[in-house]
Amino acid sequence: EAQVTQNPRYLITVTGKKLTVTCSQNMNHEYMSWYRQDPGLGLRQIYYSMNVEVTDKGDVPEGYKVSRKEKRNFPLILESPSPNQTSLYFCASTSGGIANEQFFGPGTRLTVL
Amino acid sequence: AQSVTQLDSQVPVFEEAPVELRCNYSSSVSVYLFWYVQYPNQGLQLLLKYLSGSTLVKGINGFEAEFNKSQTSFHLRKPSVHISDTAEYFCALLFSGGYNKLIFGAGTRLAVHP
Repeated sequence: EAQVTQNPRYLITVTGKKLTVTCSQNMNHEYMSWYRQDPGLGLRQIYYSMNVEVTDKGDVPEGYKVSRKEKRNFPLILESPSPNQTSLYFCASTSGGIANEQFFGPGTRLTVL
Repeated sequence: AQSVTQLDSQVPVFEEAPVELRCNYSSSVSVYLFWYVQYPNQGLQLLLKYLSGSTLVKGINGFEAEFNKSQTSFHLRKPSVHISDTAEYFCALLFSGGYNKLIFGAGTRLAVHP
């Protein structure tokens, strides 16, 4: 089954404790991205990757890092989480070519105390 | 800059009634438009998209949307809703030169009541 998986689905942590949210897709997609969803703001892009070892900032990259060492994986790293990073996070992937369908993971709900 | 405005944050409606969820966009370049649905505790699922051609686009689950360039709108409609349509709906755009970055509206929560 074609899918995007994220782990963990739920996470409660404390300020300053480094964490990683994993994202993996099994569709051999080149393009992957991370979004955060906040009430009243919709989804905003954090980082994206056009292929292995090619990443760039989205609209709200502050406080986040990513890496793309393999085509299927695109982890999101919070080196020192803060309460304003409490949010619902989605990973997405799509094949090359404009306007192809983006496939979203199930989401990771992060709470930073 | 590009932006998407969803004019209603919440839309309550009775089962079997018609519904329209409104979406307006702003862009100085060509855009592609999408509607996504998010059911509780799930990721986003594509309902339909407008790339070019016919301005009336049909999607899954009986939804359709009409692209109106002069009014910069892309409203979503369904003639008769079901309880199972209760979800959050997001309008989004891609613009030429924006790679695959989706720009989302704030979302509209559709609540279908029996």
